[in-house]
Amino acid sequence: GEDVEQSLFLSVREGDSSVINCTYTDSSSTYLYWYKQEPGAGLQLLTYIFSNMDMKQDQRLTVLLNKKDKHLSLRIADTQTGDSAIYFCALGGYNKLIFGAGTRLAVHP
Amino acid sequence: DADVTQTPRNRITKTGKRIMLECSQTKGHDRMYWYRQDPGLGLRLIYYSFDVKDINKGEISDGYSVSRQAQAKFSLSLESAIPNQTALYFCATSDKTGWWDTQYFGPGTRLTVL
Repeated sequence: GEDVEQSLFLSVREGDSSVINCTYTDSSSTYLYWYKQEPGAGLQLLTYIFSNMDMKQDQRLTVLLNKKDKHLSLRIADTQTGDSAIYFCALGGYNKLIFGAGTRLAVHP
Repeated sequence: DADVTQTPRNRITKTGKRIMLECSQTKGHDRMYWYRQDPGLGLRLIYYSFDVKDINKGEISDGYSVSRQAQAKFSLSLESAIPNQTALYFCATSDKTGWWDTQYFGPGTRLTVL
């Protein structure tokens, strides 16, 4: 079946860029998503990218998709303490999403 | 008001008890989902429903059942709770858009089974 892998933890300094990575095995997904989960809250859709795109930028967020290597990344520019959360990548296929385990981003002064 | 609500937000129960978690949505979406989240495992799909008459098992449905009472309501039951069902449970909804499936999540229910 599909497998989606993420590193579990990332620590960055406030003001630096954060890069959260995701690798996957199934290449049939049409949409690839990034969700954010803040403490005590549900998952919030951050952004998504079509499988026929290489890059998508949305304010401080940049999503890169390397289909050949089956690698998805989320870059957060000028990381702030409010960006501290768990970030999930998810692959969207017909009628379902497959989630990675989530990367906990810690932002320190 | 939140678009997707879950009740209760926290629940502590004992092994063997029957538990029901409820989800309501005001988004008007046809599709609803139940997931559980365990540390280090991400979200895993328990059940999903594409409309009131359509219920499907997800990857970890054993020990759970669901009921779609209306388009806006989808409840998850644990008939006889066991400790390894201690987890964070999320309800989600999505619109009927075919191949892609942006899902909107409720705030979660933290369930502890002693």
